[in-house]
Amino acid sequence: AQTVTQSQPEMSVQEAETVTLSCTYDTSESDYYLFWYKQPPSRQMILVIRQEAYKQQNATENRFSVNFQKAAKSFSLKISDSQLGDAAMYFCAYRSGGGAQKLVFGQGTRLTINP
Amino acid sequence: DAGVIQSPRHEVTEMGQEVTLRCKPISGHNSLFWYRQTMMRGLELLIYFNNNVPIDDSGMPEDRFSAKMPNASFSTLKIQPSEPRDSAVYFCASRAQGLNTEAFFGQGTRLTVV
Repeated sequence: AQTVTQSQPEMSVQEAETVTLSCTYDTSESDYYLFWYKQPPSRQMILVIRQEAYKQQNATENRFSVNFQKAAKSFSLKISDSQLGDAAMYFCAYRSGGGAQKLVFGQGTRLTINP
Repeated sequence: DAGVIQSPRHEVTEMGQEVTLRCKPISGHNSLFWYRQTMMRGLELLIYFNNNVPIDDSGMPEDRFSAKMPNASFSTLKIQPSEPRDSAVYFCASRAQGLNTEAFFGQGTRLTVV
């Protein structure tokens, strides 16, 4: 079974600085998708960024980018120019590229932005 | 589109009572998922449907939990009888067909069983 591990329960960063959230995963599959979801205090799960395992190029969405290291099974999220609105729980998630459609989530990292 | 709609947003009930959570997926999405979020166990899949058919219910904790999807626009998750350990946030998510699509989540139902 696939597992996702986020080793940082909490992180904090100064506003306008850059922060990196770590995620590792375990799988024997070669075809899969990885995601970062943001959960603000409103509870809504919001997709931040996604990465297809077959793509070597790291995904980027504005201030959010990932460092995908397939051999190391690592998928970190970098937030540049941190803003107060980035404060939230961040979840790393895995989905098989095959039949199983469910998302497997890490335990989450609580990100605090210091003004 | 209004997104995935869940009701109620909050539910407080007494132990032993029946609880029904509701979900309306995004129109056109053919996969629907029920997740539960707790501090101890994080986010875990309870069950998911493809084209209204349950595909994987291995995450359903026990017989007290049941889920139905009578049509493409509605699903329920029922707990009968409820217990205090069922207190959690329950999320519904839906996804369109295709490998390269993503799941969209509702705002969740916070269930408290006292």
